[in-house]
Formats: sequence, structure tokens, C-alpha cells
Amino acid sequence: AAGVIQSPRHLIKEKRETATLKCYPIPRHDTVYWYQQGPGQDPQFLISFYEKMQSDKGSIPDRFSAQQFSDYHSELNMSSLELGDSALYFCASSLYGFNTEAFFGQGTRLTVV
Amino acid sequence: GQQLNQSPQSMFIQEGEDVSMNCTSSSIFNTWLWYKQEPGEGPVLLIALYKAGELTSNGRLTAQFGITRKDSFLNISASIPSDVGIYFCAGQNSGYALNFGKGTSLLVTP
Repeated sequence: AAGVIQSPRHLIKEKRETATLKCYPIPRHDTVYWYQQGPGQDPQFLISFYEKMQSDKGSIPDRFSAQQFSDYHSELNMSSLELGDSALYFCASSLYGFNTEAFFGQGTRLTVV
Repeated sequence: GQQLNQSPQSMFIQEGEDVSMNCTSSSIFNTWLWYKQEPGEGPVLLIALYKAGELTSNGRLTAQFGITRKDSFLNISASIPSDVGIYFCAGQNSGYALNFGKGTSLLVTP
């Protein structure tokens, strides 16, 4: 079965550069979530989208923005990168509504040097 | 978001032993989910629970949705070395983000 696809898997950027992470949800899933996970930490919620509209917002820095496109894929744009942004970034997708399950992608490991 | 209290933080057991971990929250959730994560990989969904009191199994795994809707537990029976990983509970209300526990790190020795 198709899973959540994230690209790239690994990304190395310098401080103050920008990065764009992409997420392709499971077919027919209309909701996308972005999470950030530091070493030894639990995933921290950044932002989510339902039907291309922001549905919930967590601890996403102002330097980050995200959107969901008409084909339901989502992109997380990160600017003015800082060393502390180094982390695993996960995308998850689900169907909106009750009794739905969220499935995660394999993540993008971002290293800021 | 709401932080869940997950315990124990880590477990070191022998192959064949049973394992139990639990998660509590001060808020109610409509859905409880249990994930397993291995190093450098994304969380993999193990079990989803949708109804208070629900008991659901997936092979050697059994999870329950607490009656108060504020807690859940996960049991793993007859553990094997490939059960090693970090187990996360997550609570969710429809349309909103998953709220994760801090995770339970499981180590299994042969």
C-alpha cells in the first residue's frame, strides 16, 4: 500500500539559508500534519492542513511557513535557518473526521551547519 | 498542545517477558494511538483506539482506551528482540494535532 512520501530524506544547509521539505500524503488523505523531532525527544507538532486550509497550529517558528496544494501535497518552507533547527521533520497524513488514523512518512533529517 | 504522561520512560527486559506501558492525560481524547519508532525512521502505527473501554489486539500487542478517555495502555506479550524501539502514545481529537507522550524506550535481550 502507498505510504506517506517525504523528500528529501536528508538535507544539509548552512545557517541563514532556506530549506523546503515536501510531503506527499497517502492517496485520498485530505489532512497533513508536520512534526519536528529533536534527538531523544517526542515529535513536536508544527502545523496541519485540511483541504488546503490551515487546520491547527503548534509551535511553528515565524521563520517557517507551510502550505497544502490542490493535489494535497504539502511543503514546509524554512528560512533563516539556525543550528537549533537541526532535527528530523515528519509529515503525517490522515482522512479528516472521526475514527481516522494518522500515518507518518520516513522523515527528512535536516542538519544545519 | 497537551502533553501526555507516558510511563515507564524505559524498560530493559529479557526475551519472552511481557511488557506493559501506559499513558495518561488531564484532557479527554476521542482517539488514542500507539506508535513504534526505530532510530532515524518515522513512527509506525501499531494500534488505534476510538471508543472508551475498547480493547484491541494486533498480534502480540494489546491496547485499551480508558473508560475516562484520559488514559490508555499497551501490552506486549512474549517479547522478542525485534520489539526493540521507542513506543509512543498519542491522543487526538478530530481535526486537531496528535499529542504525543515522551515515549517508552524498550530494550529486549535474547
